[in-house]
Amino acid sequence: AQRVTQPEKLLSVFKGAPVELKCNYSYSGSPELFWYVQYSRQRLQLLLRHISRESIKGFTADLNKGETSFHLKKPFAQEEDSAMYYCALSGRGGATNKLIFGTGTLLAVQP
Amino acid sequence: EAEVAQSPRYKITEKSQAVAFWCDPISGHATLYWYRQILGQGPELLVQFQDESVVDDSQLPKDRFSAERLKGVDSTLKIQPAELGDSAMYLCASSPFGTGELFFGEGSRLTVL
Repeated sequence: AQRVTQPEKLLSVFKGAPVELKCNYSYSGSPELFWYVQYSRQRLQLLLRHISRESIKGFTADLNKGETSFHLKKPFAQEEDSAMYYCALSGRGGATNKLIFGTGTLLAVQP
Repeated sequence: EAEVAQSPRYKITEKSQAVAFWCDPISGHATLYWYRQILGQGPELLVQFQDESVVDDSQLPKDRFSAERLKGVDSTLKIQPAELGDSAMYLCASSPFGTGELFFGEGSRLTVL
């Protein structure tokens, strides 16, 4: 079964500290992984996807198939990074592109 | 910039009443999704359309929920009768076919009393 696990409901860090939001997945095929973000009073939006292998707003995420993880990292947190972050998984090659979300991690960056 | 539109933003209803939500996706997006998000949880897919066809409704409680996208453009999600446990945010999203990038609406928050 497809599953996305985000073990931390809340991650609180100080400005300038490194950030790592954890995501583990369960999927029998070849998955496509995403990170979505929801800032306060804004709609849910895509932050990055693993196949693009790019850095968005200083965030990166590497797909580790051996550990079935897709952790989101940023070397120096900024206050504007405070938001709800959701890891999501989609099966590749299927017609439905069904997107399964984790329960989310609230990142709070303290000044 | 084109956005997914949803209405109403807020709906308060009593249990056993009927409620409906409307979604207008971004023009040209063939795939439309309805998600339900209960407080403290991630979005859960209720139904996915490809044009006017349902491609996944495995998590839709079909005894009380229905969804349609008659002309392959806008969509309606209906609940009848509403139950207390249906209180949640109902999110609509759309995407171009073949991508996993979803564009979300602001959501419709339902409170069932």
